[in-house]
Amino acid sequence: DAGVTQSPTHLIKTRGQQVTLRCSPISGHKSVSWYQQVLGQGPQFIFQYYEKEERGRGNFPDRFSARQFPNYSSELNVNALLLGDSALYLCASSFRQGAIDTQYFGPGTRLTVL
Amino acid sequence: AQKITQTQPGMFVQEKEAVTLDCTYDTSDQSYGLFWYKQPSSGEMIFLIYQGSYDEQNATEGRYSLNFQKARKSANLVISASQLGDSAMYFCAMREGGFTGGGNKLTFGTGTQLKVEL
Repeated sequence: DAGVTQSPTHLIKTRGQQVTLRCSPISGHKSVSWYQQVLGQGPQFIFQYYEKEERGRGNFPDRFSARQFPNYSSELNVNALLLGDSALYLCASSFRQGAIDTQYFGPGTRLTVL
Repeated sequence: AQKITQTQPGMFVQEKEAVTLDCTYDTSDQSYGLFWYKQPSSGEMIFLIYQGSYDEQNATEGRYSLNFQKARKSANLVISASQLGDSAMYFCAMREGGFTGGGNKLTFGTGTQLKVEL
């Protein structure tokens, strides 16, 4: 089975620009979460979507937004890019089995803001 | 206070030896889940093992086991018979609360860089 896929793999933008990152979950997974991982740190939670509704939002400014489509794929948008937005953006999908809800991550999109 | 604490920035282990990576957590919830992920230099986070707060037995997955000590709030990862391919960053993560309405935010520690040597 295909894992979580993300596109693009790498992206270079300049300050002030806008960026859209894409994620396709594992087939059958209805929940998608986004994380930002700055170099040398653990991932930080940005958003979670479940059945196309936002179910959680981390401590990120309104420049960050996301949505989930009917096929459960998701987009993360970041407006007015800052140098500090340079990071690895990870998407994870999950499917609840009983009390276990394991998140499976994609390869990430590495964003560089110049 | 840090919710997930990994106090070992880097660890070295000889091939075929066992190694323990430390993780302590802080939560007031009775229901929570603890996860370990491996992140090679390529960047992808690879799920290794899960422990639920109500699980009475320590979780095991192949060469990975989780030493869960609830009273101490620790969830250490034990890797047996280390292999060169185990060299990577390892993250401990926690999901607090029960699974309600789809909420499953993970809080990660700062990670431990493991290097397996010949």
